[in-house]
Amino acid sequence: EAGVVQSPRYKIIEKKQPVAFWCNPISGHNTLYWYRQNLGQGPELLIRYENEEAVDDSQLPKDRFSAERLKGVDSTLKIQPAELGDSAVYLCASSLEQGGSSYNSPLHFGNGTRLTVT
Amino acid sequence: GNSVTQMEGPVTLSEEAFLTINCTYTATGYPSLFWYVQYPGEGLQLLLKATKADDKGSNKGFEATYRKETTSFHLEKGSVQVSDSAVYFCALRNQGGKLIFGQGTELSVKP
Repeated sequence: EAGVVQSPRYKIIEKKQPVAFWCNPISGHNTLYWYRQNLGQGPELLIRYENEEAVDDSQLPKDRFSAERLKGVDSTLKIQPAELGDSAVYLCASSLEQGGSSYNSPLHFGNGTRLTVT
Repeated sequence: GNSVTQMEGPVTLSEEAFLTINCTYTATGYPSLFWYVQYPGEGLQLLLKATKADDKGSNKGFEATYRKETTSFHLEKGSVQVSDSAVYFCALRNQGGKLIFGQGTELSVKP
């Protein structure tokens, strides 16, 4: 099966500029995640979608970050305006989660978008 | 709150050496535990998982046992190869909760 596809792979922008990342999850996966991974650290959740609904966005900095998942498939994550501290790798992941055993479901990750803000 | 702590890297081993990467966790309830691996230039991949106490997850020669009494999930491999060089992440997830990662441990295997 095709994996999670993210684009672009790399992005360099100046601070205060906007930037957007795109994610195409594995076909049929109902749950989609955006994570941020700072250098030398583990990924941290930004937002989780179940189908079209954002069910956990408690870690998303809503003053500058926004996300959408139209039709419950592809998703975009936007930063406007970007700050120097936003430099990181942004990871998208998807999974098929159903019923009470959803926490056993593995996440499938894309290769990420490496953002550099100068 | 829930958290995961891994041993600091980098870990440097010679080929065929024995590997242990320590992982301990703090969690309410009974989480599922995972090891993910990130090879250079690639995304994270699930390596193995265990969903209840005393379960042993295994894959590609790697093993980890869910130890509730010590809240640990240490990763082991009897004989590492150069191709095992990567960053390894321990993670936990409670029912309905998010996947929480440790900080990662870089492994470098020399020929």
